[in-house]
Amino acid sequence: GENVEQHPSTLSVQEGDSAVIKCTYSDSASNYFPWYKQELGKGPQLIIDIRSNVGEKKDQRIAVTLNKTAKHFSLHITETQPEDSAVYFCAASKGGADGLTFGKGTHLIIQP
Amino acid sequence: GAGVSQSPSNKVTEKGKDVELRCDPISGHTALYWYRQSLGQGLEFLIYFQGNSAPDKSGLPSDRFSAERTGGSVSTLTIQRTQQEDSAVYLCASSPGGYNEQFFGPGTRLTVL
Repeated sequence: GENVEQHPSTLSVQEGDSAVIKCTYSDSASNYFPWYKQELGKGPQLIIDIRSNVGEKKDQRIAVTLNKTAKHFSLHITETQPEDSAVYFCAASKGGADGLTFGKGTHLIIQP
Repeated sequence: GAGVSQSPSNKVTEKGKDVELRCDPISGHTALYWYRQSLGQGLEFLIYFQGNSAPDKSGLPSDRFSAERTGGSVSTLTIQRTQQEDSAVYLCASSPGGYNEQFFGPGTRLTVL
């Protein structure tokens, strides 16, 4: 089955700086790659996703890049703000009954 | 509009008891997923429903776990004879279809004493 590795497990950045979280996946048939933000006591919130026919996608301060050949994808957050502090999860899927396979998560800490 | 809702938000039970967890998906979403989140195992996919049908139940951790969905809407996850290792947050997600974005509910925190 699919295996998703996520790094780093903890990331501390100064407010206003950029943050980058990286994930690799093992199954070349995976074609959907979402990113979720989870705050304490809440369910994961979808923040951005990318499909395998696209190399990059951007939404305001958040961007995701995908390298299908290397089987890795990354989340980029620019101009970080205190409210960006949370745990971020990457995931991969072939869709449908496959469900999402998640990475172990990155605890992002924004230092004021 | 209303998101995915789950009940109860917290459940404390004694080892050996049965528990039932409920998920109300976003109206009109045909696909529904159950996941489990624990410190040791992270986020694990358990089962997927398209309409009322679950084509693959192999993700359920043991035969003590079962799930059903009726009327293409509400789903229940039942754990029989609970064990301490069942303690986790159980999350439900729904999607407009099986190949679309999944939206998660707030989860049910299950504690087995």
